[in-house]
Amino acid sequence: NAGVIQTPRHKVTGKGQEATLWCEPISGHSAVFWYRQTIVQGLEFLTYFRNQAPIDDSGMPKERFSAQMPNQSHSTLKIQSTQPQDSAVYLCASSLGTGGARAEQFFGPGTRLTVL
Amino acid sequence: GEQVEQLPSSLIVQEGASVLINCSYTDSASVYFPWYKQEPGKRLQFIIDIRSNMERKQNQRLTLLFDKKTKHLSLHITATQPGDSAIYFCSASRTNAYKVIFGKGTHLHVLP
Repeated sequence: NAGVIQTPRHKVTGKGQEATLWCEPISGHSAVFWYRQTIVQGLEFLTYFRNQAPIDDSGMPKERFSAQMPNQSHSTLKIQSTQPQDSAVYLCASSLGTGGARAEQFFGPGTRLTVL
Repeated sequence: GEQVEQLPSSLIVQEGASVLINCSYTDSASVYFPWYKQEPGKRLQFIIDIRSNMERKQNQRLTLLFDKKTKHLSLHITATQPGDSAIYFCSASRTNAYKVIFGKGTHLHVLP
């Protein structure tokens, strides 16, 4: 069991370029979460899907960030016109989704995004 | 907005010692409090949780205490081992909501 899979593991972009991050949740998990981790801000919630439907995107910067879950086997986080302050480790997590946030979350290894 | 604070930010102890990590939250609607740990180079991993209708929960060497009145939690780890060295995260979430707010973590280093 590979657990939650995230690709790529590392991505370097130039300022103003687009970055797309991929997440494959654990099979059978209906909830998928995206977080951003930095030294300064710590772990920040970005957005959440349940049964592929967006539930809460209150943590998403509105202008350039978007997330989708086109099918139950993968979710994407897209950052348009990347800025140096977007540099972070982006974490994806999944859970069974029963009982809402009370279900244990399983985290992926993260994608380290560096914007030059 | 909702906040979760953790203290201390770092701890260095000798193997065998006990440690206490404190956590406080601001959102009165929070009812579920999972803790995670992140070992160097590894994924975040769930370790223990507690609900607001409980005061205490134990899992082997981990004991989690919860005080709803003061909005405070504490994680007690006994008989620490070098393998316990990691960043420990406290978190909080609301009923029927899925947004989880994390503290900034406590770096624990256990010396052999």
